Amino acid sequence: DIVMTQSPDSLAVSLGERATINCKSSQSVLYSSNNKNYLAWYQQKPGQPPKLLIYWASTRESGVPDRFSGSGSGTDFTLTISSLQAEDVAVYYCQQYYSTPRVTFGQGTRLEIK
Amino acid sequence: EVQLVESGGGLVQPGGSLRLSCAASGFTFSSYEMNWVRQAPGKGLEWVSYISSSGSTIYYADSVKGRFTISRDNAKNSLYLQMNSLRAEDTAVYYCARSRSFLEWLFDYWGQGTLVTVSS
Repeated sequence: DIVMTQSPDSLAVSLGERATINCKSSQSVLYSSNNKNYLAWYQQKPGQPPKLLIYWASTRESGVPDRFSGSGSGTDFTLTISSLQAEDVAVYYCQQYYSTPRVTFGQGTRLEIK
Repeated sequence: EVQLVESGGGLVQPGGSLRLSCAASGFTFSSYEMNWVRQAPGKGLEWVSYISSSGSTIYYADSVKGRFTISRDNAKNSLYLQMNSLRAEDTAVYYCARSRSFLEWLFDYWGQGTLVTVSS
């Protein structure tokens, strides 16, 4: 199985500041035939199910604020929140969907307000 | 509005069985692949099982293969997970989740989840 490793495990950022979460896969999730990275990001607030934020590593899901952006390729990916808002406090997960059916998630990164 | 509502969770003894249900509404259920994903208390996410839109293709995580059975009833807009030989490590919130698009194994809608606790 592809192992997804996120860093850091937790992060505290001041309101209005940038938050950056990293995700590394144990093998490439870039599919050469279509040049797409099979990498998604989810946000999970306390007591709620996960919410899809970004797929294909950098495409925002409909309705997701543009302060959320994804980048990276191959094995190294980043989720960036450009200006942290109070409602962004959550745990964030990356997921690879390259190796199906054995899709796997990162361990999660807890984002808090400093 | 897309809605997924799970039910059937509860407390069960080790070795016991439980059947989870997921009622879908707000979209053409028969056109979408569906999944079960679980989350142990305070832990991360683990994909459990997949079923194609017709029900003809099914996959399981190694951790549940041979013990869990996924199924669907497109006439009733419902997804099921039959869980047998339950173990303590199966304790988790179980979410039903819709695949975003055909053969795209990412999940665009999730239910609120149902808690399964395996304990004596």
